[in-house]
Amino acid sequence: AQSVAQPEDQVNVAEGNPLTVKCTYSVSGNPYLFWYVQYPNRGLQFLLKYITGDNLVKGSYGFEAEFNKSQTSFHLKKPSALVSDSALYFCAVRGGRDDKIIFGKGTRLHILP
Amino acid sequence: GAVVSQHPSRVICKSGTSVKIECRSLDFQATTMFWYRQFPKKSLMLMATSNEGSKATYEQGVEKDKFLINHASLTLSTLTVTSAHPEDSSFYICSAKGAGVDQPQHFGDGTRLSIL
Repeated sequence: AQSVAQPEDQVNVAEGNPLTVKCTYSVSGNPYLFWYVQYPNRGLQFLLKYITGDNLVKGSYGFEAEFNKSQTSFHLKKPSALVSDSALYFCAVRGGRDDKIIFGKGTRLHILP
Repeated sequence: GAVVSQHPSRVICKSGTSVKIECRSLDFQATTMFWYRQFPKKSLMLMATSNEGSKATYEQGVEKDKFLINHASLTLSTLTVTSAHPEDSSFYICSAKGAGVDQPQHFGDGTRLSIL
């Protein structure tokens, strides 16, 4: 069965510093990996996805994620954090023949001014 | 980008009422739609998956007769919470995706349901 883990409930970063939000996954076969962001009382917004190809994937709002097959990780990164990046971030995985996506529990990102 | 519209955004009603939530894909054909429930400061709990024209597949522990899902067209799915009770109060979010395993899900803005 597929699963995804976000080990950090919350990450605090000073504005202007680089940020990393961690994600590891378990899936049979090739993984399809996604990152979403959720602002208060809103649905999830798609940030980026990894399907195949380059391990470094670039997405919306300056975010990127690095796929590491040996470590089964897909960490979200941004070189310079903005206060407006403060939100709840979800990592998700789809694998095998199942069409549904499994979400991690979410990581709350706080960017400190 | 792909747009999913969810309506209403907020519902407050009395216990015993049935509530219908609509989810529409505005600029793409949604072959699959998903319904989630999110508790405060918690992750999303998948309730059911529906494919256009067929019965929804419910996750374990989700009552089919309580949460009725209809996906009658490639752009519309509805979730009806029947005879709602206070414990059904939650944030319900729909998502839709097009054909193809590499397609991401696009989410509606959610519906805050409050049962008095």
